Amino acid sequence: KAGVTQTPRYLIKTRGQQVTLSCSPISGHRSVSWYQQTPGQGLQFLFEYFSETQRNKGNFPGRFSGRQFSNSRSEMNVSTLELGDSALYLCASSLGGAAVNTEAFFGQGTRLTVV
Amino acid sequence: KQEVTQIPAALSVPEGENLVLNCSFTDSAIYNLQWFRQDPGKGLTSLLLIQSSQREQTSGRLNASLDKSSGRSTLYIAASQPGDSATYLCAVRRHNTDKLIFGTGTRLQVFP
Repeated sequence: KAGVTQTPRYLIKTRGQQVTLSCSPISGHRSVSWYQQTPGQGLQFLFEYFSETQRNKGNFPGRFSGRQFSNSRSEMNVSTLELGDSALYLCASSLGGAAVNTEAFFGQGTRLTVV
Repeated sequence: KQEVTQIPAALSVPEGENLVLNCSFTDSAIYNLQWFRQDPGKGLTSLLLIQSSQREQTSGRLNASLDKSSGRSTLYIAASQPGDSATYLCAVRRHNTDKLIFGTGTRLQVFP
């Protein structure tokens, strides 16, 4: 059974550009969440999607946006990149809904470097 | 607002020792708690999931306990090995959401 797939694994962008990251969850999982990990702030929650609907959003500026498609794949977009956006972006997949055992499984992450 | 703290922040031990990692959370209204390990530059690997109604879970050399009323969880690692070297993170989840709130992590080094 395939795990959570994040693409690309590494990105280098220039300040002011925009970037799109992709996450394919485990087959059958309908919930996808995104997190930003930096040495100073640790793991911070960005968004949570379930069945194409955003259920929760973290405390990030509007430059950060996301969406989920009907096949549960998700993308997140960051516009007008800043140096402080350099981080490891992690995607988590879980069954979601009323499932009791909502264990989260993570992808390998996308390492974004803004120069 | 839920806050999750892990103690100690770092730990360095010789191979073979039994270890206890601590996780504390301020709001006891959690749905479940999950322990992860993270190797440098990599994603998170799920170790154990404890539902709020459970007191402990075991997987191999790992045992996690949960005391929801006191806001504490511990991860016990038996007979530690160099391959256990990683950062260990705990995370809590409330009802009706898959949003995880993470602890600050414990960086573990096991030397031969």
